[in-house]
Amino acid sequence: GAVVSQHPSRVICKSGTSVKIECRSLDFQATTMFWYRQFPKQSLMLMATSNEGSKATYEQGVEKDKFLINHASLTLSTLTVTSAHPEDSSFYICSARDFYNEQFFGPGTRLTVL
Amino acid sequence: AQSVTQPDIHITVSEGASLELRCNYSYGATPYLFWYVQSPGQGLQLLLKYFSGDTLVQGIKGFEAEFKRSQSSFNLRKPSVHWSDAAEYFCAVERNNFNKFYFGSGTKLNVKP
Repeated sequence: GAVVSQHPSRVICKSGTSVKIECRSLDFQATTMFWYRQFPKQSLMLMATSNEGSKATYEQGVEKDKFLINHASLTLSTLTVTSAHPEDSSFYICSARDFYNEQFFGPGTRLTVL
Repeated sequence: AQSVTQPDIHITVSEGASLELRCNYSYGATPYLFWYVQSPGQGLQLLLKYFSGDTLVQGIKGFEAEFKRSQSSFNLRKPSVHWSDAAEYFCAVERNNFNKFYFGSGTKLNVKP
């Protein structure tokens, strides 16, 4: 099946710094990519939807200036957590939708902000 | 508002026993329905999905799920659980044509030898 990768898998940073997370579709072109946040023992919450070459659409309550999303190509989307704070610590998961509208998920990135 | 409920946070079954994981949704129309499995450190893997038609859906790894419109449920079943099935299972719904997934809180399955 189709593979979606995320890099890094784990990142620890100091409060106030910015962190970039990459999401790549390895063997298919993704018309749309999604970013989710998963809190411990909770479900995945959709943060934003991004389409290649256009601005991301953010879910209600998600700060677009804090969570910058860039979808530069049909195989790459990046999420930058700007001026990270401890409350931003979470598990971030991306997914990519192919031309058949099937959605494939990445393995996730564990962000810890000290 | 759209919601997905998985009432069981943890379930423990013996290897070889049958399994049923519950999922209920609230939505005005019938959404697209999915079950995913997540192993530690790995992404979500699609087990099965329901869009329309036959309400009993067969998936991978011997799983099946039945859509019951009257109960707004989409329960996942497996007749005989294997130790490798231990993982976390998520039910998800997609509002038709909206491309947005809403996930349940997940059910963690433990399998006793």
